[in-house]
Amino acid sequence: NAGVMQNPRHLVRRRGQEARLRCSPMKGHSHVYWYRQLPEEGLKFMVYLQKENIIDESGMPKERFSAEFPKEGPSILRIQQVVRGDSAAYFCASSPPRTGRFAGELFFGEGSRLTVL
Amino acid sequence: GESVGLHLPTLSVQEGDNSIINCAYSNSASDYFIWYKQESGKGPQFIIDIRSNMDKRQGQRVTVLLNKTVKHLSLQIAATQPGDSAVYFCAGPPGNAGGTSYGKLTFGQGTILTVHP
Repeated sequence: NAGVMQNPRHLVRRRGQEARLRCSPMKGHSHVYWYRQLPEEGLKFMVYLQKENIIDESGMPKERFSAEFPKEGPSILRIQQVVRGDSAAYFCASSPPRTGRFAGELFFGEGSRLTVL
Repeated sequence: GESVGLHLPTLSVQEGDNSIINCAYSNSASDYFIWYKQESGKGPQFIIDIRSNMDKRQGQRVTVLLNKTVKHLSLQIAATQPGDSAVYFCAGPPGNAGGTSYGKLTFGQGTILTVHP
């Protein structure tokens, strides 16, 4: 049973370019979360998606960032017109459908490391 | 708002010793906590969780203690091994959040555990 798959693992972009990060959740998981981790810091929540729905995007920057989880295919985190401050590791996590508020185990991918030159 | 933080950024121990990693939180309404282990270049890995109706929970070689009076929790690792070297994060959902926020976690800064053979 494959885990959460993220690609690319490493991405280099110049300022002003676009970055697209992809995440395929674990089989049977319909909930996807994106987190950002700056060097020497903890992870910061960005967005929570279910298939074709954004449930909570309270951690997303207001501009240049967008996320989707289409009916078919992986979840995509898109960063337009990247700036140096966007350099970070971006982690995707998935979970199966649950009821109640106790998260239990979120399954994280290995991350995509974005470097903006 | 929610805040989860760590007392010490680094901890060095000898192989075989017991390790104790601490975490403080600020929101008295917080009712669920998770410890994650993150090895270099990898995504966070779930270790153990605890609900606020408990003050202790044990896993394999790990114990989490929760002191709600002083809003503090700790992760104890018995007989620490070199493979335990990693960054350890405590995390928790927003206090009093609705069911849709269960995967939205606030992470602490992290403690770097180094185990010397």
